[in-house]
Amino acid sequence: AQSVAQPEDQVNVAEGNPLTVKCTYSVSGNPYLFWYVQYPNRGLQFLLKYITGDNLVKGSYGFEAEFNKSQTSFHLKKPSALVSDSALYFCAVREEHSGNTPLVFGKGTRLSVIA
Amino acid sequence: DARVTQTPRHKVTEMGQEVTMRCQPILGHNTVFWYRQTMMQGLELLAYFRNRAPLDDSGMPKDRFSAEMPDATLATLKIQPSEPRDSAVYFCASGINTEAFFGQGTRLTVV
Repeated sequence: AQSVAQPEDQVNVAEGNPLTVKCTYSVSGNPYLFWYVQYPNRGLQFLLKYITGDNLVKGSYGFEAEFNKSQTSFHLKKPSALVSDSALYFCAVREEHSGNTPLVFGKGTRLSVIA
Repeated sequence: DARVTQTPRHKVTEMGQEVTMRCQPILGHNTVFWYRQTMMQGLELLAYFRNRAPLDDSGMPKDRFSAEMPDATLATLKIQPSEPRDSAVYFCASGINTEAFFGQGTRLTVV
């Protein structure tokens, strides 16, 4: 069975500082990994994905994530946080070659960027 | 700008009433998902369809929930009868290859 763990319910960071939101996963085969962001009263917006290739994936709004197979991690990062990055972030996984099967989501991490 | 459209955005209803939520997936997407979001459980998969055929609805309470795709442009999620514990945000998402694209959600409150 696939699963995702986001070990931090809340991450606080000062504006301008780098941010990291952690995610680890479990799948029986190779993973497809995703990050989504949810702003208040909105749906989930796709940020970035890892399918294959370069372990460092760049996405929307200056975010990037690094796939680490040995640590089964896919942490989300941004070099310089903005107050507008404050939102709920979800990591998700699907097994490679499983077709367009449902994503399995983590519980979410609330990011708060303080001015 | 292609997007998943959900209606209504908000619904307040009394316990025991029927609730119908609708979703228009992105044109050309062959897979539709229904998720429910609550504070306690996070995002839970309720059901999903591919090419309008239901593939998995094991996440739904079968006695009160039903999901259908009458055509490729409409997916529905019904609750009958509704209960206060059904209060949540219900999201529809559609996809064709890898990532899924989410609608804005229907916030359901059952009183």
